[in-house]
Amino acid sequence: GENVEQHPSTLSVQEGDSAVIKCTYSDSASNYFPWYKQELGKGPQLIIDIRSNVGEKKDQRIAVTLNKTAKHFSLHITETQPEDSAVYFCAASLYYNQGGKLIFGQGTELSVKP
Amino acid sequence: GAVVSQHPSWVICKSGTSVKIECRSLDFQATTMFWYRQFPKQSLMLMATSNEGSKATYEQGVEKDKFLINHASLTLSTLTVTSAHPEDSSFYICSARGGSGGVETQYFGPGTRLLVL
Repeated sequence: GENVEQHPSTLSVQEGDSAVIKCTYSDSASNYFPWYKQELGKGPQLIIDIRSNVGEKKDQRIAVTLNKTAKHFSLHITETQPEDSAVYFCAASLYYNQGGKLIFGQGTELSVKP
Repeated sequence: GAVVSQHPSWVICKSGTSVKIECRSLDFQATTMFWYRQFPKQSLMLMATSNEGSKATYEQGVEKDKFLINHASLTLSTLTVTSAHPEDSSFYICSARGGSGGVETQYFGPGTRLLVL
């Protein structure tokens, strides 16, 4: 089955700097890659997703890149703000639109220092 | 994005009692709903997948008689933790998947924190 590895487990940056979180997946047939942000005591919130027919997607300060050959995808946050501090989870899914499950990475705790 | 609600947000109960958690997709019809469990500083662990009108599919190691799931409609799924014990204390999160034009997205509820004394 699919396996997702996420790095780093913790990341500390200064406000205004960029943050990059990387994930690798094992099954080349995976076709959907969402990223979730989870604040303390809350449920995960979808912040951006990418499907396998696209190499990059951007939404304001957040971008995701996908390298299907290398089987990895990354989350890029620019101009970080203290409110970006949270745990971020990547996920991958095989045959997503046919009901495939999301397989989650281990999470990255991002701390943005003012 | 779409809204998924969960009720209650937290519950404290005595050992041996049953607890029901409701999950609703408020502004879309969910083709599938999921129930996750999360321990502190850990990732999300899928417990079961629920489709409207059919039996839930449980992940390996999850007791179906312990965690009863009912998916009554395209907008409502319930998880009942039967005869709860302290080891069932955890953060339970539901998720709903839906969309249009063949493009589906999965959204999460706010979670329910269960403490069994």
